[in-house]
Amino acid sequence: GDSVTQMEGPVTLSEEAFLTINCTYTATGYPSLFWYVQYPGEGLQLLLKATKADDKGSNKGFEATYRKETTSFHLEKGSVQVSDSAVYFCALSDQRTDKLIFGTGTRLQVFP
Amino acid sequence: DAGITQSPRHKVTETGTPVTLRCHQTENHRYMYWYRQDPGHGLRLIHYSYGVKDTDKGEVSDGYSVSRSKTEDFLLTLESATSSQTSVYFCAISESIPGQGQETQYFGPGTRLLVL
Repeated sequence: GDSVTQMEGPVTLSEEAFLTINCTYTATGYPSLFWYVQYPGEGLQLLLKATKADDKGSNKGFEATYRKETTSFHLEKGSVQVSDSAVYFCALSDQRTDKLIFGTGTRLQVFP
Repeated sequence: DAGITQSPRHKVTETGTPVTLRCHQTENHRYMYWYRQDPGHGLRLIHYSYGVKDTDKGEVSDGYSVSRSKTEDFLLTLESATSSQTSVYFCAISESIPGQGQETQYFGPGTRLLVL
């Protein structure tokens, strides 16, 4: 079945460092891809999404490009802030069932 | 703010007791979902609903039941709680277009459940 694999965390960075969180997927068809963010004590919030190959989703300085050839959707940010500390989830939308399949999440910790 | 509330936000209960969690939305969205979040597992779908009185099982439905008698409310019931059901439970809503795989889900704040 469809699945999402994320890099294990935690990812620990200093403020203003470059961020990459890797996400690869296995799916039949052409799923939509998502990044969700979860701040401490809160629910998940949609960060960005891409619905077809070569689309780039972006929001709040974060970007991710839908790469069909490498089945990847890596999350990047050029300069992280302490306020970006959170857990980041990659997900795909199963095209047959319209349900989301999540990765296990990657915790990001940014220190001043 | 996607207009989703969950109640209670925290609950401690004992093994063998029934527990009902409530999800309420003000967006009139058709689709509603219940997930559980556990370390190392991400979010796993328990049950979902695609309309009033229309529900179906997700990946980890054993030990859970749901009901949706009104568009705005989706109830999750643990008939006889077990310690393995200690978790954080999230409700989500969406208005996806079936078959087009463009679903964006919006999540509630979560309910933290501890079963002793």
